Amino acid sequence: GAGVSQSPSNKVTEKGKDVELRCDPISGHTALYWYRQSLGQGLEFLIYFQGNSAPDKSGLPSDRFSAERTGGSVSTLTIQRTQQEDSAVYLCASSLSQGHEQFFGPGTRLTVL
Amino acid sequence: KNQVEQSPQSLIILEGKNCTLQCNYTVSPFSNLRWYKQDTGRGPVSLTIMTFSENTKSNGRYTATLDADTKQSSLHITASQLSDSASYICVVSAWKAAGNKLTFGGGTRVLVKP
Repeated sequence: GAGVSQSPSNKVTEKGKDVELRCDPISGHTALYWYRQSLGQGLEFLIYFQGNSAPDKSGLPSDRFSAERTGGSVSTLTIQRTQQEDSAVYLCASSLSQGHEQFFGPGTRLTVL
Repeated sequence: KNQVEQSPQSLIILEGKNCTLQCNYTVSPFSNLRWYKQDTGRGPVSLTIMTFSENTKSNGRYTATLDADTKQSSLHITASQLSDSASYICVVSAWKAAGNKLTFGGGTRVLVKP
């Protein structure tokens, strides 16, 4: 595809369940970012992957959050034992490399009941 | 602490009118500043990017300015259209040695009314 894609577009889950969010970056982009955007708030950095380097996990809010990037392409963000405060839009972005323009996906809207 | 503050938080303008959005930052060392437009339900899309040496940059009806001395930027929308209704986010990047960290402003929500 031409842009960053994310799935699902919407996810409703019950408190305590685990969820997996997927991001397909633009082909050839070595950098991949995950952000969280709560209603009416700015973007909050979660985690960053650059090539084969160890990811920058400094933005993950708790150990319930984790992310993987397999084969340097697709990434999954996993939230374990979801809480209501996890409800937000989760945005993925990719860039050619660190410091280049980030292209954002449409996001996944997560609602935890 | 690196911070990006945007004002106003929201504004309503009539179609055809102009408006200016403000962004103040304390990010150091400064690398570049981008303005993004985020339509409801969509991811942000870059409008302009400005480096230290650039004072102004235009993209159609959008004109961004940068004063690196006062660490202020503005985004001016000329002859607004209904499609300009969106959130506008100011994003400042620290220099590569600082990990190219991005600091996001909280955004300004613009509503253009007919």
